[in-house]
Amino acid sequence: EVQLVESGGGLVQPGRSMKLSCAASGFTFNNYDMAWVCQAPKKGLEWVATISYDGSSTYYRDSVKGRFTISRDNAKSTLYLQMDSLRSEDTATYYCARHLRIITDYFDYWGQGVMVTVSS
Amino acid sequence: DIQMTQTPSSMPASLGERVTISCRASQGISNYLNWYQQKPDGTIKPLIYYTSNLQSGVPSRFSGSGSGTDYSLTISSLEPEDFAMYYCQQYDSSPLTFGSGTKLEIK
Repeated sequence: EVQLVESGGGLVQPGRSMKLSCAASGFTFNNYDMAWVCQAPKKGLEWVATISYDGSSTYYRDSVKGRFTISRDNAKSTLYLQMDSLRSEDTATYYCARHLRIITDYFDYWGQGVMVTVSS
Repeated sequence: DIQMTQTPSSMPASLGERVTISCRASQGISNYLNWYQQKPDGTIKPLIYYTSNLQSGVPSRFSGSGSGTDYSLTISSLEPEDFAMYYCQQYDSSPLTFGSGTKLEIK
């Protein structure tokens, strides 16, 4: 069974940093691209970043470029999101998702999400 | 960015009813459209990819259709577990964008 379990969220002050982790199991992690998708309170879903299966390519939405870094450790089957210079508008639940990008562009498994609150 | 507009934003419906949720793109997206379901506890599940292809394990009462800028998700006969939020997502161009969501509520 595919499982994605996020951790590392919480309350952080504006301008500070936070690192999220996503532990994957139930599939061959290094065969798949992975992504982070966020959801601000009472709002819709927003793609944040994607990393290729081997970590060689990364993609970001404009609003996080230069502030967020997606990475992975295939030996540990773990995905990361390093978030720097956090802003109040980054407050959201962050979901880790498996990202299928062959033929389609589709998130086929999602974690339960981890809440990040940026506030002083 | 391609804007995705879903209508209605909320929809009261009854068990056994047939419902259709619409999703309109701000430009043509060549059928590059997926649908997801989000339960009140936050759990997100994929339903349909490339407009009309059912994800493995999704009941056949779900179906998708559309072309150009206009797409829809239909549930042929509502079951209790179908009352949730639904989101469309386009992948015609980057960044990937989602619709604003439709909340399916019990009437």
